[in-house]
Amino acid sequence: NAGVMQNPRHLVRRRGQEARLRCSPMKGHSHVYWYRQLPEEGLKFMVYLQKENIIDESGMPKERFSAEFPKEGPSILRIQQVVRGDSAAYFCASSPYGGQGKPQHFGDGTRLSIL
Amino acid sequence: DAKTTQPTSMDCAEGRAANLPCNHSTISGNEYVYWYRQIHSQGPQYIIHGLKNNETNEMASLIITEDRKSSTLILPHATLRDTAVYYCIVRVDGGNQFYFGTGTSLTVIP
Repeated sequence: NAGVMQNPRHLVRRRGQEARLRCSPMKGHSHVYWYRQLPEEGLKFMVYLQKENIIDESGMPKERFSAEFPKEGPSILRIQQVVRGDSAAYFCASSPYGGQGKPQHFGDGTRLSIL
Repeated sequence: DAKTTQPTSMDCAEGRAANLPCNHSTISGNEYVYWYRQIHSQGPQYIIHGLKNNETNEMASLIITEDRKSSTLILPHATLRDTAVYYCIVRVDGGNQFYFGTGTSLTVIP
């Protein structure tokens, strides 16, 4: 999974705090995807972004979650007022473009634990 | 959600070929088949993908049937480090996401 960098690898928050997860895509990739994986489950799509644009947020919870991919810097997944149910592994993936035929390359994720 | 069906689990002897099947009977003409694997606590690792022709790379081979309704991922000489959950994914045409499903848990036995 070299190339897509996520940090932090582990994040502990208390209920009600904010969590910020960062993702730097592979060099030359301008498309970023966020997925969430609950224990013993497969990855679930959350949001797809290009530089400065949210393209598809159909998998994002309606409240407390937001994502951005600014012109400069990493993509950020932000979770406000975290609850115990937000505990999960959050994975970021990137690709050079969004069409068919190009795989998404994943980072090693951020494990979020809510106390 | 997922457009693929895979066995829940498989075993393979170390050094032998591991053949992982996947059914995708509703696949449409423009949709690719992708394979990923996830080793515990790591992110999904891309293995291979294909449209209609068989593909081979340094990790694996992908055999797609002529009608494209199923495919097989082949790890030619399985090692203990190949123990992982393997996901067969068909990306919905025009869609942005991969549906990971529950995959096949492959255990390579010494």
